[in-house]
Amino acid sequence: AQSVAQPEDQVNVAEGNPLTVKCTYSVSGNPYLFWYVQYPNRGLQFLLKYITGDNLVKGSYGFEAEFNKSQTSFHLKKPSALVSDSALYFCAVRDEKGSYIPTFGRGTSLIVHP
Amino acid sequence: GAGVSQSPSNKVTEKGKDVELRCDPISGHTALYWYRQSLGQGLEFLIYFQGNSAPDKSGLPSDRFSAERTGGSVSTLTIQRTQQEDSAVYLCASSTGQYNEKLFFGSGTQLSVL
Repeated sequence: AQSVAQPEDQVNVAEGNPLTVKCTYSVSGNPYLFWYVQYPNRGLQFLLKYITGDNLVKGSYGFEAEFNKSQTSFHLKKPSALVSDSALYFCAVRDEKGSYIPTFGRGTSLIVHP
Repeated sequence: GAGVSQSPSNKVTEKGKDVELRCDPISGHTALYWYRQSLGQGLEFLIYFQGNSAPDKSGLPSDRFSAERTGGSVSTLTIQRTQQEDSAVYLCASSTGQYNEKLFFGSGTQLSVL
């Protein structure tokens, strides 16, 4: 079975400060990990993914995520937050040996204050 | 079209009525997913279509829910005898069907059952 946890319902950060949105996962085999962002009244948009290779993955809008196998984590990061980054962020996982259906976390609301 | 299209964008119905939600995926995408997004519940998988294979219906919450995909393209999610707990945003996504590829989401249908 595959699962993903986003322990924070909401993250607050001041504009210009670094941000981290946490994600941990559980799979039987190797994980395929994804981050998506949802702006109000919109569908989810892909940000970045980890399949294999470098543990630090760079994505859209200046976001990056670090894969940590020993801690089974895939935290989303950005060095300097923008007010426009305020949105709902979803982590998703697929088990390499599982189905083609990604499991999504509950989502974390990121609020960037001016 | 350039993206995944869903209709209607909003649907208000009375308890006990049937509703149909439509999804038009990106042309050429063989995989199609339906998810349900409820407040505070994250994304709940409903059903998955891949090419001509039998769909994975393991996420459908009850036999009131059904979906079909005609000609490997457009999909319709049907909810019979709607209940108030069916109120949610229904999201459709498509992908190329490759095991490590991202999903492209539509903007969703907001269903409200009165």
